[in-house]
Amino acid sequence: DIQMTQSPSSLSASVGDRVTITCRASQSTDNFLNWYQQKPGKAPELLIYAASSLQSGVPSRFSGSGSGTDFTLTISNLQPEDFATYYCQQSYNTPWAFGRGTKVEIK
Amino acid sequence: QVQLVESGGGVVQPGRSLRLTCAASGFMFSRYGMHWVRQAPGKGLEWVAMIWNDASNKYYADSVKGRFTISRDNSKNTVYLQVNSVRAEDTAVYYCARGSYDTRGYLFLDYWGQGTLVTVSS
Repeated sequence: DIQMTQSPSSLSASVGDRVTITCRASQSTDNFLNWYQQKPGKAPELLIYAASSLQSGVPSRFSGSGSGTDFTLTISNLQPEDFATYYCQQSYNTPWAFGRGTKVEIK
Repeated sequence: QVQLVESGGGVVQPGRSLRLTCAASGFMFSRYGMHWVRQAPGKGLEWVAMIWNDASNKYYADSVKGRFTISRDNSKNTVYLQVNSVRAEDTAVYYCARGSYDTRGYLFLDYWGQGTLVTVSS
């Protein structure tokens, strides 16, 4: 089974900052890598799919990059509504797996 | 608009069973695979199960294999999760999600329900 390791587990940032979250897979996921945002008490929402494709309706300050086993989610110009928990997830093979999440908090 | 509405959660005693239901609307249900994802209180997301659009294939997380069964009724636009022999560690919010794909074949979960809470307690 593919294991997903996210880092950091949490970070503090200010409005306007650039934030980078990394995700490493235990084996290649061939870019079958997705990112989700979850706010407290809410269902997750898809941000990025296929490592770098922006989901419709998601602001362009979110971007994804990487390939193979190493991936990055970048939030440029952090906005108040971006304070949330972010998860990576591989859909390369079953069982699908999520990273443990990165909580982005206000500094 | 796409809507997924889960139901069937509640308090259940260890070792008992329950069935979760997810009613879908706003899209051609029979064209999409469907998934269940759960989240224990204060914890991260855990993928639980998926079923192909025609129910020809089903896959499970190791933690639920043999105890949970995913199924669907395309005539009712509904997906189910039968949860048997529940354990304390099954306590979680259970989300259903639509499994989508792009033209290149990449897979992702693009719509989620609001979730239904299952609490395992004696």
